[in-house]
Amino acid sequence: QQQVKQSPQSLIVQKGGISIINCAYENTAFDYFPWYQQFPGKGPALLIAIRPDVSEKKEGRFTISFNKSAKQFSLHIMDSQPGDSATYFCAASIGGGSNYKLTFGKGTLLTVNP
Amino acid sequence: EAGVAQSPRYKIIEKRQSVAFWCNPISGHATLYWYQQILGQGPKLLIQFQNNGVVDDSQLPKDRFSAERLKGVDSTLKIQPAKLEDSAVYLCASSSPTGDSYEQYFGPGTRLTVT
Repeated sequence: QQQVKQSPQSLIVQKGGISIINCAYENTAFDYFPWYQQFPGKGPALLIAIRPDVSEKKEGRFTISFNKSAKQFSLHIMDSQPGDSATYFCAASIGGGSNYKLTFGKGTLLTVNP
Repeated sequence: EAGVAQSPRYKIIEKRQSVAFWCNPISGHATLYWYQQILGQGPKLLIQFQNNGVVDDSQLPKDRFSAERLKGVDSTLKIQPAKLEDSAVYLCASSSPTGDSYEQYFGPGTRLTVT
C-alpha cells in the first residue's frame, strides 16, 4: 500500500514566524512530490512541487526541502501570514501521462495568528 | 480560463437513496479524476479517466459507485445505494500534462451528507 505520512496534524504559528510541515514516504518509485493548499469550501490548489533530483526548491516564501535517503520532504513557509491559514497536503506520485496518480497525506491545518 | 465546475455543491440524502454528482473539467484536459475526501483526511482517488476510457478504478467501490465520462468531457459519479460512511466531499480534478507540469486542477467539490 502506497503511503504518505504527514505531520503535524495541526500547527499554530504567530504572524512572521516559520511554519514547517513534514512528510515521509515509503515507495522509492515516487518521483514527483507536490504540496497542495486548501481553503475551507474550496478544492486543493497546487502550491509548489519538487522532483527527487533536487534537494530544495524555493518559490517566494515557500520552500520544499527534500531528503531522498531519508525518504522525507518538508514544506517551509517563511514570514507566515494570516492569509496562509489553510490545510496543507503533501502528496506523491509515480510516472507521468496517463499513469499520473496522486497519493495524499492526511493534511495539516495551519493557523497563523495575527 | 474557467476552472473545474462541479454541481451540486451540497447534497443531503438518506441512507439507501441514490445520488449523482456532475463535473465539467477545464477545456482541453484529457485526464479527469474523482476523489473522495472524508473530513480530516486527504483526498483519496476513486477513479481516473483518460479521455472517455477508465485508467484506474481500483479504489472505486463498484458495488455501489459508478462513474462515466461520455464523449471524453463531462463526467458523472453516482452512488446507489448510499451508506452513512459515504458522507464526504467529492472532488473532481482535471489535468493535461505538458512538459514537466503534472498539476491537477481541482473543483470546489460536492459535500455529501448521508443521514
